[in-house]
Amino acid sequence: EVQLVESGGGLVKPGGSLRLSCAASADTFSGYNMHWVRQAPGKGLEWLSSISTTSSYLYYADSVKGRFTISRDNPKKSLFLQLNNLRVEDTAVYYCAGGRYSGSYPLLAYWGQGTRVTVSS
Amino acid sequence: QLELTQSPSASAPLGASVNLTCSLTSGHSNYAIAWHQQQPDKGPRFLMKLDSDGSLTRGDGIPDRFSGATSGAERYLTISSLQSEDEADYYCQSWGTGIRVFGRGTRLTVL
Repeated sequence: EVQLVESGGGLVKPGGSLRLSCAASADTFSGYNMHWVRQAPGKGLEWLSSISTTSSYLYYADSVKGRFTISRDNPKKSLFLQLNNLRVEDTAVYYCAGGRYSGSYPLLAYWGQGTRVTVSS
Repeated sequence: QLELTQSPSASAPLGASVNLTCSLTSGHSNYAIAWHQQQPDKGPRFLMKLDSDGSLTRGDGIPDRFSGATSGAERYLTISSLQSEDEADYYCQSWGTGIRVFGRGTRLTVL
C-alpha cells in the first residue's frame, strides 16, 4: 500500500499563488495515474485534475482550467499542483489520490490526508 | 453530461444493513463507478470499483461486509453488520472522457 502526504497549503491573498506537493512512499508511484481533488468547507469532493503515468495526458476541471497546473516527478515520487490566480472560492482542503488502472478506469485507490488552502484578504 | 445523484442522508441501526444508491444520468447507464468513504475529519478512502455488469474490485483491506450491486443506471453500496465507525460520508465517483465526477455524497448515521 502506498502512503501519500500532501504539503504546501497555507493562507494566500486573492490573486496569489501556491504550489502543492504530494509525496508518495512507494516506488510503484511511477505506475499510478494521479489526481487532485478538493473539498471546500462543509462541501463534497470536487475533482480538479489528473495526470497519466508519463505525464502524456493532463486533464482539468473547467473550474480550474488555465489557473492550475498538474505535474509529476517520478524519480522523486512526487506530484504537484501549481495554483495561480487564486480566488476566495478556491479555499478548501486539497487531496492527492492515485492508483493503477482497473480495466480502462484509473482508480483513486490511495488518498492523502489533505493540505488546507485558505484564500483570503 | 455525466452526473451522479445520491441521497443526502441515510441511517440504520448498529448491526443492521444499509443500502446506499448512486444514480447515473441518462445515457451513462453502462459506466463504472467507485465508492469512497470519508470518516469525520479524515481523508477519503477507496472502498470499491463497481462495473456495469456488477463485477467488483475492493480496495486494500476493505472487508467483505462492504459490497456493491448494479441495476440499470443504479449503483448500490451495501454495508452489512453496521459498526459505529461506518458513520461517515459516502461518495460515488465515475469517469467521463477526460474528467472524473463525484456525487454529492450520502451522510450515513449509525443509530
